[in-house]
Amino acid sequence: GAGVSQSPSNKVTEKGKDVELRCDPISGHTALYWYRQSLGQGLEFLIYFQGNSAPDKSGLPSDRFSAERTGGSVSTLTIQRTQQEDSAVYLCASSRTGADQPQHFGDGTRLSIL
Amino acid sequence: AQSVTQPDIHITVSEGASLELRCNYSYGATPYLFWYVQSPGQGLQLLLKYFSGDTLVQGIKGFEAEFKRSQSSFNLRKPSVHWSDAAEYFCAVGAPFSGGYNKLIFGAGTRLAVHP
Repeated sequence: GAGVSQSPSNKVTEKGKDVELRCDPISGHTALYWYRQSLGQGLEFLIYFQGNSAPDKSGLPSDRFSAERTGGSVSTLTIQRTQQEDSAVYLCASSRTGADQPQHFGDGTRLSIL
Repeated sequence: AQSVTQPDIHITVSEGASLELRCNYSYGATPYLFWYVQSPGQGLQLLLKYFSGDTLVQGIKGFEAEFKRSQSSFNLRKPSVHWSDAAEYFCAVGAPFSGGYNKLIFGAGTRLAVHP
């Protein structure tokens, strides 16, 4: 497919466990973004990648959250020691380089912490 | 700080009726403005965008939006709503930085219901 692919689509885990969320961007898109969508906070920016580097991590809510991107393509968002407040839909978007380039979103990973 | 306000949390219209969804923004310069639509269980789909130029922009699915600088608004319109338009709509401001990227700031969304 030509769109942004995220996996898993749903993840249920116990409090305290670590989780990894994957994003496969559109081929050729060098910019990659992670957002979080939760009932209380709406849609929030988490982190931005340009290639493999992350010049803007300002939205990561705590040091339990980290992300990496390899080969200028796939990105993984990792949440350590999950808490119930981490329950949300995590959305990934990609775009071509440039502030005027529209972001294309994946369908998200719905994370539920028991 | 940049912000986006969508005053209407929930709107219900009849199929075939016209639609206007409101969006107001706060930004220190000419912003990049976007409307996205989200159907249940899916990601965000871009409806239209405004960067500069003509203040009336056309998008997909018959939607249009008008940028009004004096009112700091970017309202979304459609002349005749279809049942398939039922979804949640998000207005967003792009906050471009010198790094050439675009951290989107979203409104809280407006959920649209369409009566047959």
